[in-house]
Amino acid sequence: DQQVKQNSPSLSVQEGRISILNCDYTNSMFDYFLWYKKYPAEGPTFLISISSIKDKNEDGRFTVFLNKSAKHLSLHIVPSQPGDSAVYFCAASAKGNNRLAFGKGNQVVVIP
Amino acid sequence: ETGVTQTPRHLVMGMTNKKSLKCEQHLGHNAMYWYKQSAKKPLELMFVYNFKEQTENNSVPSRFSPECPNSSHLFLHLHTLQPEDSALYLCASSRDWRATNEKLFFGSGTQLSVL
Repeated sequence: DQQVKQNSPSLSVQEGRISILNCDYTNSMFDYFLWYKKYPAEGPTFLISISSIKDKNEDGRFTVFLNKSAKHLSLHIVPSQPGDSAVYFCAASAKGNNRLAFGKGNQVVVIP
Repeated sequence: ETGVTQTPRHLVMGMTNKKSLKCEQHLGHNAMYWYKQSAKKPLELMFVYNFKEQTENNSVPSRFSPECPNSSHLFLHLHTLQPEDSALYLCASSRDWRATNEKLFFGSGTQLSVL
């Protein structure tokens, strides 16, 4: 039973435009959400996170939006750069431990 | 460089072999994790060690045997694996398994192929 879902497995976007990645979750106990970025032959690296007490968190070109009522979060990258080409994983955890549930990932390709 | 080092990066083994994966973290963390990433599947948590004690075993077959001699080192001993065990095995660490709002730091992984 997959608790974190990322549909639209791949996304192609022109350099300079906005990339929007979506993530849905089913577990209402989740209260902390993270996005990880993964290049080929490397492990995932932390990108940005958001706590359930917020609905938006911004870090430079990256913004994560959380809609708790819809159990939905999204990652916006603007402007997109060729170095952003990677697989992006959505993850979530509940209070009490660091058991992160991951989505399958979205492949992003930024076209120069 | 995430501060988590995994060796080897690639491993090919037969079903009757015994091999070990090694992970070392230089972040002063107390929790270490093994994750498995199979093609087209989400990362799956396998084991968690917190302060050297195993706190999670996510119904992993006994042909995978973890070992955590101290908070900085984690091993995954492999024996009599099956071809379907071929996957990317990722090690991660964090300050404390019980802490909330924590991020995990991942190593680069070991790409395992079982023939």
